[in-house]
Amino acid sequence: AQSVTQLDSHVSVSEGTPVLLRCNYSSSYSPSLFWYVQHPNKGLQLLLKYTSAATLVKGINGFEAEFKKSETSFHLTKPSAHMSDAAEYFCVVRGNNNDMRFGAGTRLTVKP
Amino acid sequence: GAGVSQSPSNKVTEKGKDVELRCDPISGHTALYWYRQSLGQGLEFLIYFQGNSAPDKSGLPSDRFSAERTGGSVSTLTIQRTQQEDSAVYLCASSLGSGTPRYNEQFFGPGTRLTVL
Repeated sequence: AQSVTQLDSHVSVSEGTPVLLRCNYSSSYSPSLFWYVQHPNKGLQLLLKYTSAATLVKGINGFEAEFKKSETSFHLTKPSAHMSDAAEYFCVVRGNNNDMRFGAGTRLTVKP
Repeated sequence: GAGVSQSPSNKVTEKGKDVELRCDPISGHTALYWYRQSLGQGLEFLIYFQGNSAPDKSGLPSDRFSAERTGGSVSTLTIQRTQQEDSAVYLCASSLGSGTPRYNEQFFGPGTRLTVL
């Protein structure tokens, strides 16, 4: 069965410093992986997706993620955090029936 | 174009009452999904519709939950005899059908916040 584990429930960074949100996946076959962001009182927005093409995936707002099969990881990174990046981030793997299996989420706080 | 819309945005009901939540997917999207997001938790898959195929109901937590999709477009999620543990945000998403390049990308609605007193 497909599943993801987000290793940190809360990450706090200072504005202008790098962001690293960690995600490990479990899948019996080559997975489709996604990162979604949810700002307060707003809907979920797709940041980026991996679907077996390039292992380094670039998304919106300067985020990127690298698929590492040997580590079963799909960590989300950004070189320099902005105040507007403060939100809840979800790592997601596509299930057998195209249902999306969400991680528990990581709340990102950006300090000025 | 319009995104996925859901109504109502908020619903407060009493324990034991039935509720109906509505989802209007993006026009042309043949796949539709319902999820539940409980406080402080990730999303839990409930049910999936793809075109005219039988829906995948594997995520429904009990037989009090049901959903239908009329005419391949609008969907209604019904919760009968609501319980306090049903309180959550119910999210709907839609995507293009399988076989299309963007099949994997799901677009989410704003959700319906259900509170059961």
